[in-house]
Amino acid sequence: SYVLTQPPSVSVAPGKTAMITCGGHDIGSKSVHWYQQKAGQAPVVVIYYDSDRPSGIPERFSGSNPGNTATLTISRVEAGDEADYYCQVWDSSGDQWVFGGGTKLTVL
Amino acid sequence: EVQLVESGGGSVQPGESLRLSCAASGFTFSSSWMHWVRQAPGKGLVWVARINTVGSSTWYADSVQGRFTISRDNAKNTLYLQLNSLRVDDTAVYYCVLSTGSGGGTFEFWGRGTLVTVSS
Repeated sequence: SYVLTQPPSVSVAPGKTAMITCGGHDIGSKSVHWYQQKAGQAPVVVIYYDSDRPSGIPERFSGSNPGNTATLTISRVEAGDEADYYCQVWDSSGDQWVFGGGTKLTVL
Repeated sequence: EVQLVESGGGSVQPGESLRLSCAASGFTFSSSWMHWVRQAPGKGLVWVARINTVGSSTWYADSVQGRFTISRDNAKNTLYLQLNSLRVDDTAVYYCVLSTGSGGGTFEFWGRGTLVTVSS
């Protein structure tokens, strides 16, 4: 089965840039989606199809997927960005939808 | 406005059954692919099942294959998940999710979830 690997935690100071990675075999050939989950809330999609941003999501959020690692970048980090972030792909070979283990973003 | 409201969660013993429901509104339910995703307490998100628009094709995670059944009633705008032979490790919040887009789609809209607790 397909596996996505994320760092368990990332810490960043306010105003700085946070980068959260998502690794998987040949991930560049798949579309990667990113979800933000704040404590006690349902997830919200912040990036879909590698780099598209839904309406209402700040331009500070961006995504890339050039090769074996996809990356969610959050610029000018704010305290309100503190949350768990999950990457997700569709493994078409097995018709399975796969999430990474999640990354806890801490704003120092 | 898209709304997904889950219900049917509760506390059961191992081996028992539950049926979860998800009432959908604010979009054309009968044209939408739907999923269930779960999250064990303090753990990450795990995809559970998917159903096509007319209910003729379903997909399941290996961990629930043969025990859970996803279904839908387009006349009632309602998605279901039948949970049989429940195990302690099925304890989780179960989210109803609307997917949109091409390929496997993205999980664009989520309900607030319903908690299933399996304990002896």
